Amino acid sequence: AQSVTQPDIHITVSEGASLELRCNYSYGATPYLFWYVQSPGQGLQLLLKYFSGDTLVQGIKGFEAEFKRSQSSFNLRKPSVHWSDAAEYFCAVGERGGGADGLTFGKGTHLIIQP
Amino acid sequence: GAGVSQSPSNKVTEKGKDVELRCDPISGHTALYWYRQSLGQGLEFLIYFQGNSAPDKSGLPSDRFSAERTGGSVSTLTIQRTQQEDSAVYLCASSQRSATNSPLHFGNGTRLTVT
Repeated sequence: AQSVTQPDIHITVSEGASLELRCNYSYGATPYLFWYVQSPGQGLQLLLKYFSGDTLVQGIKGFEAEFKRSQSSFNLRKPSVHWSDAAEYFCAVGERGGGADGLTFGKGTHLIIQP
Repeated sequence: GAGVSQSPSNKVTEKGKDVELRCDPISGHTALYWYRQSLGQGLEFLIYFQGNSAPDKSGLPSDRFSAERTGGSVSTLTIQRTQQEDSAVYLCASSQRSATNSPLHFGNGTRLTVT
């Protein structure tokens, strides 16, 4: 079964600084990979996804992520964060061929933005 | 258009009582998922509905939990004889096909507190 590890429970960055959130997965083949963001009191919103092809994927709100097969990683990056980026970020892996429980989520990284 | 709607947004109940949580998915979405989000634990899959097929209940933590989806649309998650460990945010999500083929659209969740 697939699993997802987000090593950082909390990350604090200054507004305008660059950001990288780490995600490592365990899966026997090339997975589907996702990043979702959850603002306080809200549901989750899809930021970006990787299915195949170009390993650098662009998402909404200026985010990007790079799939690195050799490192089993799918880290999320943003060159310059804004205060509105403060939220909980979840990495998820999906099983090719579908499957009822489709996505396995990491435990999330809480992003704090310092002024 | 309208997103996924969940009600109530907050529910406080006494231990031992039954509760019903409601989810209205996006119209036309065939897949519907229930997740449970506990503090610091990420998202735990509970149950998955796909069209008129029998639901996948493999994530339900005990036989006190059940869910139904009427007419392929609205879903109700029922928790009988609630326990304090049931306190969590219950998230509903829908997608056009399945979570790995199309993005999950989440509701804002129901925060359940069992006293």
